[in-house]
Amino acid sequence: DQQVKQNSPSLSVQEGRISILNCDYTNSMFDYFLWYKKYPAEGPTFLISISSIKDKNEDGRFTVFLNKSAKHLSLHIVPSQPGDSAVYFCAASSNAGGTSYGKLTFGQGTILTVHP
Amino acid sequence: DVKVTQSSRYLVKRTGEKVFLECVQDMDHENMFWYRQDPGLGLRLIYFSYDVKMKEKGDIPEGYSVSREKKERFSLILESASTNQTSMYLCASRESHQPQHFGDGTRLSIL
Repeated sequence: DQQVKQNSPSLSVQEGRISILNCDYTNSMFDYFLWYKKYPAEGPTFLISISSIKDKNEDGRFTVFLNKSAKHLSLHIVPSQPGDSAVYFCAASSNAGGTSYGKLTFGQGTILTVHP
Repeated sequence: DVKVTQSSRYLVKRTGEKVFLECVQDMDHENMFWYRQDPGLGLRLIYFSYDVKMKEKGDIPEGYSVSREKKERFSLILESASTNQTSMYLCASRESHQPQHFGDGTRLSIL
């Protein structure tokens, strides 16, 4: 079963506007969430993360929001730039018992296209 | 800057062959991971290692094995390659309580 879901395979946004990428999870043991960005022919690169003790984390143009009751997180990019065009993956991990070793469960990914 | 290097960017093999994918990291990380990425499925964990000679199965270990004889190197082995193992393979490493760093991937085709 897919414990982390990104239900939008793609998103198209105009340069300068806001991009909102969404992610839902089902496992209530997840307590740490990350977003990765992936360009073609490159490996994923870490973008931003959030712990379950927070509901918002901001880093420059990127903000991640976490709604634990809804088991939902979102990534906001403001303003969007053409260089943001990439595949975005959300990922989750659980530190239950301290033995997860940082194992991540990934969503399917959302292709973001930012038009000039 | 963390460097995770995968030995091949592209690889073509035949069904039934034994295939080795190599991954090296230069940051003395304890944890290393192998994923495969397929369209519509995201990244799925095959195996991971939390120390030298230590390994654990991920979500899709069938048909794969791994080896970690040295801390910096983590190898993925396809014992008898099959066409359904055609995929993009991604290696990652991690320091405790830090995000995973990924290599650029190996696109493997099994004919």
